[in-house]
Amino acid sequence: GQQLNQSPQSMFIQEGEDVSMNCTSSSIFNTWLWYKQDPGEGPVLLIALYKAGELTSNGRLTAQFGITRKDSFLNISASIPSDVGIYFCAGQAIAGSARQLTFGSGTQLTVLP
Amino acid sequence: EAGVAQSPRYKIIEKRQSVAFWCNPISGHATLYWYQQILGQGPKLLIQFQNNGVVDDSQLPKDRFSAERLKGVDSTLKIQPAKLEDSAVYLCASSSKIWVHTEAFFGQGTRLTVV
Repeated sequence: GQQLNQSPQSMFIQEGEDVSMNCTSSSIFNTWLWYKQDPGEGPVLLIALYKAGELTSNGRLTAQFGITRKDSFLNISASIPSDVGIYFCAGQAIAGSARQLTFGSGTQLTVLP
Repeated sequence: EAGVAQSPRYKIIEKRQSVAFWCNPISGHATLYWYQQILGQGPKLLIQFQNNGVVDDSQLPKDRFSAERLKGVDSTLKIQPAKLEDSAVYLCASSSKIWVHTEAFFGQGTRLTVV
């Protein structure tokens, strides 16, 4: 089956710093999604990417769909305390059961004041 | 608009016992998903319904897990008998469009601890 490697596993940063995390896949995806999950809550969609090379922003968040279609990156600029949480990438292909989402293992972000 | 409702929020059971989780999707959402999220991992799909029909249950451990959505609205997920490795958060998600995950919304989940 498809596998997603997400890194780093955890990050401790100072408030105001920029953050970068990424996902790589063993196979090609047609859609990349990035989610944030707060404690005791379900994942919430942050950004969706549909084309290789696409760069999309949502406020202080910027995500890119890698040109090989096997990777994606998420950047958070000028971090604030409410950015704390777990960030997940997820990929979707278009054929058969691969239309389901495959999630990465998450990046736990801690923002220190 | 009300979100996806799940209950209970927490459940602690002994191994070999049975347990059931309930999900009420967003009104009008025909697609419903059950995911299992083990601590430190991302969600993994267990089963997907479209109305009251099963679309994908390829990753559901059918020897112990079962799910139903009899009237195409609410859904229940059951585990019988539970094992220690079933300890996880069980997330329900619903969507108005099949295969369009950007239209899917997650509930808060049920945290299961098997002791």
